[in-house]
Amino acid sequence: QSALTQPASVSGSPGQSITISCTGTSNDVGDFNFVSWYKQSPGKAPKLMMYDVTSRPIGISNRFSGSKSGNTASLTISGLQADDEADYYCSSYSRSHTLIFGGGTKLTVL
Amino acid sequence: QAQLMESGGGVVQPGTSLRLSCAAAGLKFSDFPMHWVRQAPGKGLEWVAMISYDGTDESYADSVKGRFAISRDNFKNTLYLHMNSLGVEDTSVYYCAKEPAKPEAGMSHYFYMDVWGKGTTVTVSS
Repeated sequence: QSALTQPASVSGSPGQSITISCTGTSNDVGDFNFVSWYKQSPGKAPKLMMYDVTSRPIGISNRFSGSKSGNTASLTISGLQADDEADYYCSSYSRSHTLIFGGGTKLTVL
Repeated sequence: QAQLMESGGGVVQPGTSLRLSCAAAGLKFSDFPMHWVRQAPGKGLEWVAMISYDGTDESYADSVKGRFAISRDNFKNTLYLHMNSLGVEDTSVYYCAKEPAKPEAGMSHYFYMDVWGKGTTVTVSS
């Protein structure tokens, strides 16, 4: 159960778009559409931002979008805002009937 | 509004046991598959275990398999994590989290979590 691979950090200016990648294998990301994304602000519990690759929970801005190609899923945030600054984690179901998280990506809004 | 509250964390010595609890309120607890997720100091999220809504299906991360056990009491609206043979590597904030709905027929889980507790801290140290 190796962690999914995410970039350690990404950054962007307000109004710009950024994309966070999440790379797994054919045993997890590549085999299932059970990829979800979570936002975690310092000292807080994670918050669901995206599920089933492309679905947004009620209340999440349409500035957030998800996609997947092969073994890599992505979260794109458009129109960056200061409040988007946080750590972001992807998660995927795997063939071993477990969940795997990515290592996390620190998003900095410049 | 669904709320989850973890308890039972503390400072324990290596090799000992601890039981965490997660009390659910504002939801029909027995409908929802549940998870435990942990986060070591300064580190990322690590999935620990999950249990089906009726408790018949459990799954564990390799790092805790054979040492930890997840269980639930649907009458008490409470999720548990029984942790044995604790090591320093188990030092983390432990979160409980629920899935969004009762799975449809033929499914055991939705494999994502829509509500999380605030976490309880477990420190394993001699």
